[in-house]
Amino acid sequence: NAGVTQTPKFRILKIGQSMTLQCTQDMNHNYMYWYRQDPGMGLKLIYYSVGAGITDKGEVPNGYNVSRSTTEDFPLRLELAAPSQTSVYFCASSFQGPGGANVLTFGAGSRLTVL
Amino acid sequence: EDQVTQSPEALRLQEGESSSLNCSYTVSGLRGLFWYRQDPGKGPEFLFTLYSAGEEKEKERLKATLTKKESFLHITAPKPEDSATYLCAVPPGSSNTGKLIFGQGTTLQVKP
Repeated sequence: NAGVTQTPKFRILKIGQSMTLQCTQDMNHNYMYWYRQDPGMGLKLIYYSVGAGITDKGEVPNGYNVSRSTTEDFPLRLELAAPSQTSVYFCASSFQGPGGANVLTFGAGSRLTVL
Repeated sequence: EDQVTQSPEALRLQEGESSSLNCSYTVSGLRGLFWYRQDPGKGPEFLFTLYSAGEEKEKERLKATLTKKESFLHITAPKPEDSATYLCAVPPGSSNTGKLIFGQGTTLQVKP
């Protein structure tokens, strides 16, 4: 199993450009997440999905959009890139069983620089 | 407000010098406290989940413990390969959607 796969690993954008970060998982997990990680700030949740067709905002959703048309894929769209979106982005997935907290499996990350 | 705070931000140890990392949390109705390890340029990797005060879990040189207000990650006789950033996280009290609130992390450097 590949786990959680993110592409691209690195990308430089100009201010105002748009792009999509791709995320695919092959573990049949129902839950998927996008986090961003800035130095000294920990991981902040951008968007999450509890299943195909269902998405919701996290802590820092402004400037981003997501969709979840299949169980496997959860792309993150950046519209009109701004320097404040320079960060490392992590996609994660988990299986939520009844009653318990679940373990997130993370991808390797996508480092985005907006100049 | 649900919150997770880790200390110290950075820790430098000599090989073999034992120490502890702290994770303080504020959340209503704890449904698990998670420890992750993150190597440079990689995503976090799961280490432990603790569910109730008094619980302990061990993995090689690492032992995680939990009280009603905080968790400790004890590192016994660390080796250079233990160098990494250690993250703790809790699910928010108001949500059962698998989300996690992360602390800022403690970056551990173990020198030979």
